[in-house]
Amino acid sequence: AQSVTQLGSHVSVSEGALVLLRCNYSSSVPPYLFWYVQYPNQGLQLLLKYTSAATLVKGINGFEAEFKKSETSFHLTKPSAHMSDAAEYFCAVSAASGNTPLVFGKGTRLSVIA
Amino acid sequence: DAGITQSPRYKITETGRQVTLMCHQTWSHSYMFWYRQDLGHGLRLIYYSAAADITDKGEVPDGYVVSRSKTENFPLTLESATRSQTSVYFCASSLIILGGTEAFFGQGTRLTVV
Repeated sequence: AQSVTQLGSHVSVSEGALVLLRCNYSSSVPPYLFWYVQYPNQGLQLLLKYTSAATLVKGINGFEAEFKKSETSFHLTKPSAHMSDAAEYFCAVSAASGNTPLVFGKGTRLSVIA
Repeated sequence: DAGITQSPRYKITETGRQVTLMCHQTWSHSYMFWYRQDLGHGLRLIYYSAAADITDKGEVPDGYVVSRSKTENFPLTLESATRSQTSVYFCASSLIILGGTEAFFGQGTRLTVV
């Protein structure tokens, strides 16, 4: 079964600094990968997704992620953090075939310091 | 309003009581899901449904019951609530679960069992 591991339950960056949130997947076949964001007291919102069309995926709010098969990674980045980026971020995976629901990582809480 | 709505947003109940969390979507999505969110565990799938009258267990189904008599509704029932079921519950829906289709989430229900 596929799974994802998010390295670091809490990441803190200064405003204007690079944001890097790490996600590694476990799957024998390259799966579909997602990043979701959760703002306080809200549901999850899709940031971006990888569906094999391109390895570098651009999402909303200036975020992007690069699929690296050799490293089984799908790290989320943003060149310059903004205060409004403070939220919980979840990496998720679904199988390339078969009807299986999304499996989520444990989440990474991003804090942005002024 | 179109979208996916959960009710109630907040609920406090006593141990041993039955409680039902409601989920309604207006997109006519085939698939609906229930996840619970707990600190240190991320989101874990409780149950999901591929269509009306078709449901399947997820990772943590014990203590929960679901039904889906209509495509748009997917209630989650805790038959005899326990303190370990204190959590934030998210309902989600998606058109299909192939091809990297994203899931859309409700705002969540914060359940406290005392």
